[in-house]
Order: sequence, then C-alpha cells, then structure tokens
Amino acid sequence: AAGVIQSPRHLIKEKRETATLKCYPIPRHDTVYWYQQGPGQDPQFLISFYEKMQSDKGSIPDRFSAQQFSDYHSELNMSSLELGDSALYFCASSPRTSGGRTGEQFFGPGTRLTVL
Amino acid sequence: GQSLEQPSEVTAVEGAIVQINCTYQTSGFYGLSWYQQHDGGAPTFLSYNALDGLEETGRFSSFLSRSDSYGYLLLQELQMKDSASYFCAVRSPADKLIFGTGTRLQVFP
Repeated sequence: AAGVIQSPRHLIKEKRETATLKCYPIPRHDTVYWYQQGPGQDPQFLISFYEKMQSDKGSIPDRFSAQQFSDYHSELNMSSLELGDSALYFCASSPRTSGGRTGEQFFGPGTRLTVL
Repeated sequence: GQSLEQPSEVTAVEGAIVQINCTYQTSGFYGLSWYQQHDGGAPTFLSYNALDGLEETGRFSSFLSRSDSYGYLLLQELQMKDSASYFCAVRSPADKLIFGTGTRLQVFP
C-alpha cells in the first residue's frame, strides 16, 4: 500500500539558511498535517491543509510557511534557520471516511533537519 | 492551556501485561488516539476512542472515560518488539493531534 513520502530524509543546513521540505500524501487523502519533533519530545503540530486550503495553524514560527499544491503535495519552507530548528519534521495525511475522521493519521518517515 | 500527562517510563517482561495511562486537559475534544513510535521512526496509529469504553485491536486495547478526562492503553502478551515510545493524542475539532508527553516502554526477556 502507498505511504506518505517525504523528501529529503536528511538535511544539513547552516544558521540563517533556508530549507524546503516536501511531502506527498497518500492518494485520495484530503488533509495534510505537519509536525515538528525535537529530541526526546512529543510531536508538535505546526500547520494543516484541507483540500489545498490552510485549515489550522499551531505553534509555527513566522519564519516558516507552508502550502499545498494542486497535486496535493505540500511543502514546508523554513527561512533564517536557527539551531533550535534542528528536529524531525513529520508530514501526515488522513482521509475523510463515511464515518468521519477516525483519529488515525498516516505519518511519513520524517525529514531529519540539522542546523549547524 | 492544553496538557496530556503520561508516565515517562514503564518496564515489563515478555509475556506480561502493561497499562499506560493518559490524563488530558484540552480545549476541544473529539477523541483520544494512541500512537507507537520506535526510536528514529514515525508515529504509527494503534487505536482510537471517540466514545467512552473499551476498544480492542488484537493484543492492544484502549479505554476512554470522557467524564474523567482519562484514558489508557493496555498491551497484552508483551513482546520485545513492543519496546518503543507510546503517545496518547487528543484529536481536536480541527483534526490536528495534540500529543501527550510520551511513555517509553522497555520490555525485558
């Protein structure tokens, strides 16, 4: 079965550089979510898109922006990178079923961002 | 504020039963999910409770009491491969997940 695809899997950047993370959701999933997970921390919600429109926003810095494209893939753009941005970034997707949302989100393998 | 509290660590031996508790305080609640995460891996969905009661999925069961803002994950017939972190997560009205602090489970032979 198809899974959520994220690229790149690993990314090393210098402070003040920019980074772009890509996410390809499972086909026919209508909602995409981005989460940030620091070392030893729980995943923190950043932003979500429903049918290519931003649906919710969490603790996402103003330096970060995201969008979802017509083919449903999503990109998280991060500028003026700081050491504290080093983390695992997960993309997840979910379908809308006949019974509504089930609380199940399908997570991609993540992008490990290291800022030096 | 929003908070989900879990024990930080639980240890058990193979074949045993372990219960991981979760208490939550959130604005907006649609249901409680449980996720498993191995080191360096992605969270994977285990179970979901929208209503009070017990949900059983193989060796894993999950319970919810909305009036007590409390839930638990029960893992039976523990195996070495169950060693991982377990997160409870509240599904908010906007469908985002608010994760708990996580419980690291170590299973010993």
